Amino acid sequence: ETGVTQTPRHLVMGMTNKKSLKCEQHLGHNAMYWYKQSAKKPLELMFVYSLEERVENNSVPSRFSPECPNSSHLFLHLHTLQPEDSALYLCASSLDRREQYFGPGTRLTVT
Amino acid sequence: GIQVEQSPPDLILQEGANSTLRCNFSDSVNNLQWFHQNPWGQLINLFYIPSGTKQNGRLSATTVATERYSLLYISSSQTTDSGVYFCAVNFGNEKLTFGTGTRLTIIP
Repeated sequence: ETGVTQTPRHLVMGMTNKKSLKCEQHLGHNAMYWYKQSAKKPLELMFVYSLEERVENNSVPSRFSPECPNSSHLFLHLHTLQPEDSALYLCASSLDRREQYFGPGTRLTVT
Repeated sequence: GIQVEQSPPDLILQEGANSTLRCNFSDSVNNLQWFHQNPWGQLINLFYIPSGTKQNGRLSATTVATERYSLLYISSSQTTDSGVYFCAVNFGNEKLTFGTGTRLTIIP
């Protein structure tokens, strides 16, 4: 695979479930990002990892927990979500925090 | 606060027409990108253009950093150009701030 991949592409979960979103980049980049896109709102940055260290946490609730085990992989662990957390979650990567490339996204529905 | 504004919010054109999309930003930028979001949600990179002019086929972009705006030009529009176009800027930190987008609809 090339570019930035995300799995799953679609996810439906209940408010008491625990699930994880996965992102993998095949571009040799050293920074990775999670964004949230809700209906009728601009994309919002959630987390930034640079060289596997979290450098930004954009006031995200603790029910979202990121993990970056190496420069190619990024996870977003989800637990006890709310219906308003339903959104498109996009992962991106960049080299030296420059041009960002995005994955196809995970469309999450919380019931 | 830091702002990124795009205009027009919606644009409907006949196939073959040309269009100009505008992005205004409120501060000096380190990085400016244009994206096309397709109906499935994928953000496709169009240009990385903190300053100057670039062209790629029917698309071109110009950023005038000193006047804090960027323009995206689409010539000879095709139905596959439909979707939402986003401008996103980085003001010198980790954060890429997105505009609210221009929704382009190309009618056959």
